[in-house]
Amino acid sequence: DVKVTQSSRYLVKRTGEKVFLECVQDMDHENMFWYRQDPGLGLRLIYFSYDVKMKEKGDIPEGYSVSREKKERFSLILESASTNQTSMYLCASSFRTMGQPQHFGDGTRLSIL
Amino acid sequence: DQQVKQNSPSLSVQEGRISILNCDYTNSMFDYFLWYKKYPAEGPTFLISISSIKDKNEDGRFTVFLNKSAKHLSLHIVPSQPGDSAVYFCAASRQFTGNQFYFGTGTSLTVIP
Repeated sequence: DVKVTQSSRYLVKRTGEKVFLECVQDMDHENMFWYRQDPGLGLRLIYFSYDVKMKEKGDIPEGYSVSREKKERFSLILESASTNQTSMYLCASSFRTMGQPQHFGDGTRLSIL
Repeated sequence: DQQVKQNSPSLSVQEGRISILNCDYTNSMFDYFLWYKKYPAEGPTFLISISSIKDKNEDGRFTVFLNKSAKHLSLHIVPSQPGDSAVYFCAASRQFTGNQFYFGTGTSLTVIP
């Protein structure tokens, strides 16, 4: 079974802090993704990566950056957290082969005070 | 601009009856579609997929129908069970772009015992 593990289920940070969200997958997937889920807006793609050290912007990259130093690990960084970044963050991974579903972690509920 | 739309935020169905969840998309280049199921405090789990070369795919109680001319897909659950109560997301992609998916806003299904 595919396992995508997000380091924290719940996180509370203060405005202006630098925040790191970590994600690890154990299936040797090439692709990794970061989404945020907000009520009425569904899942929106922040960043994704097709390979180590590669990154591509998704639909809402502003205020975020990512790091992929190892194939199994994909980190999302909030450079200077703001209250509008309070959300549920979901990490996913998949094989690069076309037509493959993404497998999700259980999410991190992030609150910025 | 939302390329994948789920216009019904919620749906209630009696146990044993059919649940029909709908999804519309605007990009005619989408050629691979998935449904995900999400319980509270968990990440989405992959349910069923369909390629644009098909108009129907079945897996047990779950069937997905694709109408390319109408840019519409639907998920049928027969018979519905209380354990099916969850939020359902549809997602679409263009396969040649790899595995970047566009998600709908979700439909919350409640199956009443």
